[in-house]
Amino acid sequence: AQSVSQHNHHVILSEAASLELGCNYSYGGTVNLFWYVQYPGQHLQLLLKYFSGDPLVKGIKGFEAEFIKSKFSFNLRKPSVQWSDTAEYFCAVIQGTGRRALTFGSGTRLQVQP
Amino acid sequence: DGGITQSPKYLFRKEGQNVTLSCEQNLNHDAMYWYRQDPGQGLRLIYYSQIVNDFQKGDIAEGYSVSREKKESFPLTVTSAQKNPTAFYLCASSTHSPSGGQTQYFGPGTRLLVL
Repeated sequence: AQSVSQHNHHVILSEAASLELGCNYSYGGTVNLFWYVQYPGQHLQLLLKYFSGDPLVKGIKGFEAEFIKSKFSFNLRKPSVQWSDTAEYFCAVIQGTGRRALTFGSGTRLQVQP
Repeated sequence: DGGITQSPKYLFRKEGQNVTLSCEQNLNHDAMYWYRQDPGQGLRLIYYSQIVNDFQKGDIAEGYSVSREKKESFPLTVTSAQKNPTAFYLCASSTHSPSGGQTQYFGPGTRLLVL
């Protein structure tokens, strides 16, 4: 079965620090990849997605992610975090064939200190 | 105003009781999903439906049931067989993009608590 691993469960950074959150998935075929963010008390929101083409994708609020097929990875990055980025971040994958529903990682709680 | 609505925001269940969580969308999406969120475990798929009158079990379907009689609605029933129902329940819907991908959008969630 498909699985998604997020290696960092809780990350604490100071404002202006750079961020990289790891995400690895297990499926070897075609995948669609997503990062979602859940701000305190708010809906789960789409941050960015990769379907095909350029493996470096840019999302909202200055976030980007790079798809590295050979490493089964889709890491999330931001060069300079802000206090308002404090949230929980989820990586998710849909297989290109078969079940068309998301498999989520366990999430990474990011705390940005002013 | 387009979107996904879930009700109620909080729901309390008594021992042995079945409860139903509502999910409605006016986005004209074909597919709808139910996920359960527990602390430290991310979201896990309960049921999903790609079209009206059809649905499939997800990874943790035991103790839950669904129906999909209308495109806009996908209610989830938590039955008395679900022994650990306390969780945050999220409904989602999706459509297909021209590139063949599928983006899911989420509702605000229902928090279910057991009395």
